[in-house]
Amino acid sequence: DGGITQSPKYLFRKEGQNVTLSCEQNLNHDAMYWYRQDPGQGLRLIYYSQIVNDFQKGDIAEGYSVSREKKESFPLTVTSAQKNPTAFYLCASSGRTRETQYFGPGTRLLVL
Amino acid sequence: QQPVQSPQAVILREGEDAVINCSSSKALYSVHWYRQKHGEAPVFLMILLKGGEQKGHEKISASFNEKKQQSSLYLTASQLSYSGTYFCGTETSGGGNKLTFGTGTQLKVEL
Repeated sequence: DGGITQSPKYLFRKEGQNVTLSCEQNLNHDAMYWYRQDPGQGLRLIYYSQIVNDFQKGDIAEGYSVSREKKESFPLTVTSAQKNPTAFYLCASSGRTRETQYFGPGTRLLVL
Repeated sequence: QQPVQSPQAVILREGEDAVINCSSSKALYSVHWYRQKHGEAPVFLMILLKGGEQKGHEKISASFNEKKQQSSLYLTASQLSYSGTYFCGTETSGGGNKLTFGTGTQLKVEL
């Protein structure tokens, strides 16, 4: 079945630690996105990539980094510079032409 | 800038209708509507493109006023399964496929 997978479902981060969230898709989509969602809030764009080996900052990129070495994969690293990382992180993908975005199940990040 | 959604929350009895509005201060190319249940990922409902094309759910309709940069989502004969938070995502002309999401409208359908 085609879809988007994210792992892990829950992730705990210690102070000063970098953590990486995984996002994989087998939909053959060119574009991939990372969003952050805080309780009771909408989705805010962190980074997006429209093609392999290229990505752009979204509205809240500070404290995060990404890579896009393969079409199927778009991992997000939450660095120690991100002082308030507790949130629900959602990955999405879409075709290159103007199509809707399909979301993965999300990763909930908590700080110990 | 984030699109503004209204109302912020609404409670319906099963079978009643509702309208959710999304308004932007920028010229829009498309509007995407999603529904999210608590703790889950958003699920695609509808996309409205500049020029009038629509793609989406059979039982949900929507409109897109390009001149006013506004979209409305119409939920008719609501069912319990319609409960959730509804988000609009707006794409500006020249913005690629990048969406900016509103803060959401919480909808609760009761018996």
